[in-house]
Amino acid sequence: EAGVVQSPRYKIIEKKQPVAFWCNPISGHNTLYWYLQNLGQGPELLIRYENEEAVDDSQLPKDRFSAERLKGVDSTLKIQPAELGDSAVYLCASSLGGTAHNEQFFGPGTRLTVL
Amino acid sequence: AQTVTQSQPEMSVQEAETVTLSCTYDTSENNYYLFWYKQPPSRQMILVIRQEAYKQQNATENRFSVNFQKAAKSFSLKISDSQLGDTAMYFCAFMNPYRGYALNFGKGTSLLVTP
Repeated sequence: EAGVVQSPRYKIIEKKQPVAFWCNPISGHNTLYWYLQNLGQGPELLIRYENEEAVDDSQLPKDRFSAERLKGVDSTLKIQPAELGDSAVYLCASSLGGTAHNEQFFGPGTRLTVL
Repeated sequence: AQTVTQSQPEMSVQEAETVTLSCTYDTSENNYYLFWYKQPPSRQMILVIRQEAYKQQNATENRFSVNFQKAAKSFSLKISDSQLGDTAMYFCAFMNPYRGYALNFGKGTSLLVTP
């Protein structure tokens, strides 16, 4: 069974440019999470989806970040415009349901470098 | 807000030996979940072990076991018979089921297993 797929794995952009990350969760997983992992830190939740609905986006900086999960499967996270401080790893995770009993499976992440 | 503290940024252990990673957390909740995740250099986060706060029995998974001290708000991970493949970042995480199902991670402990 394929795991959580993310692309690209690496992205280097100039500041003020837009960037987008894509996530394909494990088949059948209706809950999807985007986490931000700064260097030397643990991941922090940006947004959580139940199917196509964003049920927790309280930590998403909405002035420059946006996310969508139009058909309740794949998801895209966008930053526009990117700032130097956005350099980090962006992790996607999915689970069968949004409960503590359903393990969250993580993708390999996208490492973003903003120059 | 829940906070998770891992006081050991780096640890080293020889192959076949036992090592214990520390984690403390702060919460006013009585029902919650605790996790240990492993993040090898490839960056894919993997669940190692999970503990429900209402269970007194410490969780075990093969060579991995926890020492859960609810009153002390302590949740340490013991790795027995350490193997080279155990080399990774280890993150302690807290989940409050009454405030969504996001994982709140500590800063991690980098474990190096040496021959």
